Amino acid sequence: NAGVTQTPKFQVLKTGQSMTLQCAQDMNHEYMSWYRQDPGMGLRLIHYSVGAGITDQGEVPNGYNVSRSTTEDFPLRLLSAAPSQTSVYFCASRRSAESYNEQFFGPGTRLTVL
Amino acid sequence: GDSVTQMEGPVTLSEEAFLTINCTYTATGYPSLFWYVQYPGEGLQLLLKATKADDKGSNKGFEATYRKETTSFHLEKGSVQVSDSAVYFCALSGAGGYNKLIFGAGTRLAVHP
Repeated sequence: NAGVTQTPKFQVLKTGQSMTLQCAQDMNHEYMSWYRQDPGMGLRLIHYSVGAGITDQGEVPNGYNVSRSTTEDFPLRLLSAAPSQTSVYFCASRRSAESYNEQFFGPGTRLTVL
Repeated sequence: GDSVTQMEGPVTLSEEAFLTINCTYTATGYPSLFWYVQYPGEGLQLLLKATKADDKGSNKGFEATYRKETTSFHLEKGSVQVSDSAVYFCALSGAGGYNKLIFGAGTRLAVHP
């Protein structure tokens, strides 16, 4: 199993550009989520999904869209990039919404917005 | 809302020293508690977990006990190694509907020979 994969690994955008961060998992997990990691702030939840066709907002959803058309994929879209979105983005998945399940993380995407 | 507070770093230790990283939480229900570790340039990986009060999670010499009375889940290791240098995150799951995973700010550990 490849686990959770993310592309690209690095990205530089100009203010106002849009892009999609890709995330895929091959573990047949129901639950997927996106986090951003900023210095001194830990990981903050952007959006999450409990199954295909079902998504919801996390702590910091503004400026980001998600969709979940398949179990495997959970892309994160930046609609109009801003410097405040410079961060490291992690995608994660777990078997189900049960609280005891381990969450598996991808390697991250480092995004810089100029 | 639910939250996690952990001690600020960096924590700097000599090899073979004893490690404690404090973590306390606020939750309305009965969350599961986790410690994740992030090595330089990598994603997070689960270190250990506990799913109910008085449970002890352990892995690779690290331990943490779920203390409901003090709402704590402190991470300990008796003898650290240089290879333990990383950022450690305390987290809880059980936050609101669908049991979102909420993280503390992270504690950087640096171990010197």
